[in-house]
Amino acid sequence: AQSVSQHNHHVILSEAASLELGCNYSYGGTVNLFWYVQYPGQHLQLLLKYFSGDPLVKGIKGFEAEFIKSKFSFNLRKPSVQWSDTAEYFCAVNPSGGSYIPTFGRGTSLIVHP
Amino acid sequence: GAGVSQSPSNKVTEKGKDVELRCDPISGHTALYWYRQSLGQGLEFLIYFQGNSAPDKSGLPSDRFSAERTGGSVSTLTIQRTQQEDSAVYLCASSLAASGGLYTQYFGPGTRLTVL
Repeated sequence: AQSVSQHNHHVILSEAASLELGCNYSYGGTVNLFWYVQYPGQHLQLLLKYFSGDPLVKGIKGFEAEFIKSKFSFNLRKPSVQWSDTAEYFCAVNPSGGSYIPTFGRGTSLIVHP
Repeated sequence: GAGVSQSPSNKVTEKGKDVELRCDPISGHTALYWYRQSLGQGLEFLIYFQGNSAPDKSGLPSDRFSAERTGGSVSTLTIQRTQQEDSAVYLCASSLAASGGLYTQYFGPGTRLTVL
């Protein structure tokens, strides 16, 4: 079975600071990777995903994530955060191959001070 | 519809009672997903449907949990003999198709279940 670890449970930044949220997974096979975001009072939504191809994936709102297979990592990055990026961020992994049985990390709460 | 809707938005029940949670997916979406979001536990995948079929039910926490989908549309998640540890927000999502999560999932607002 796979597992996902998000090391940072709470992150506090000032606007314009750079962001990197860690996500490491444990699984022996090929995986699909996701980052989801939940803004305060809003529905959970997909931020970006990786299935194949270029390991650097760009998502909405200036976010990107890099899949490093050798490190089993899929860290989320943004060069300059805004107050509106305050949210809960979830990393998820799903084994490739058609079925959908994802495992989620416990989430990282990001607070950006204006 | 415009988005995924769930009902009720809040449900308070007594331990041992059965509850039914409903999800209306976006029209035309053949895949439907159920998740549970618990405080301190993160997000947990429960089950998904492709059409009316659930290919894998291993994500359901116990045999007190069951889900069905009829007519390729509305889905119901039923929890029998509720326990306090069932208290959580139950989220539903839908997508055009399943395909291992390839298609973007659109989430509903959730049902907050409190078991007293």
